[in-house]
Amino acid sequence: SYVLTQPPSVSVAPGQTARITCGGNNIGSKTVHWYQQRPGQAPVLVVYDDRDRPSGIPERFSGSNSGNTATLTISRVEAGDEADYYCQVWDSRSDHYVFGTGTEVTVL
Amino acid sequence: EVQLVESGGGLVQPGGSLRISCAASSFTVSSNYMNWIRQAPGRGLEWVSVMYSGGATYYADSVKGRFTISRDTSKNTLYLQMSTLGADDTAMYYCARGSCGGGRCYLDSWGQGTLVTVSS
Repeated sequence: SYVLTQPPSVSVAPGQTARITCGGNNIGSKTVHWYQQRPGQAPVLVVYDDRDRPSGIPERFSGSNSGNTATLTISRVEAGDEADYYCQVWDSRSDHYVFGTGTEVTVL
Repeated sequence: EVQLVESGGGLVQPGGSLRISCAASSFTVSSNYMNWIRQAPGRGLEWVSVMYSGGATYYADSVKGRFTISRDTSKNTLYLQMSTLGADDTAMYYCARGSCGGGRCYLDSWGQGTLVTVSS
């Protein structure tokens, strides 16, 4: 089955930029989506189709995908961005959703 | 506004069964791709099952043969029947609506989850 690997944690100072990677074999050939999960809350979609944002998600959230790595970038990080972030792709061969291992973002 | 409300979670003994529900509002369950995702305490997200609008169903290998996804169109509700439960099934169970097309799918709306605890 397809595996998505994320760093367990990323720390960033307020106002700086956080970059969260999602590694997978030739992930650039797939479409990647990202979810934010604040403590004690359900996940929320923050980026879909590699780089698009749902309505209500700030422009500070952006995505890219190429080669073996997809990246979620959070610009001008705020305290409210502290959360777990998960990447996700769809495995068309098995009709399964595949989630990354998750990254905890800490705002210093 | 799209809303998903899960219910039915609780404490169940190992080897037991439980059915959890997900009531939807502002959209029609039977016209969408509906999913169950779970999250064990302190762990990441694990996709469990999907029911497509046409009725096809798929399951993660970890639950295949033990869990059954279904829907009631009159109640606009999604279900997950779980049997032969073990400690590894202890998790928060979320339902989520899928958005699919062009060879990709993502989950655009999530419920708040219902907690299932398997313990004696």
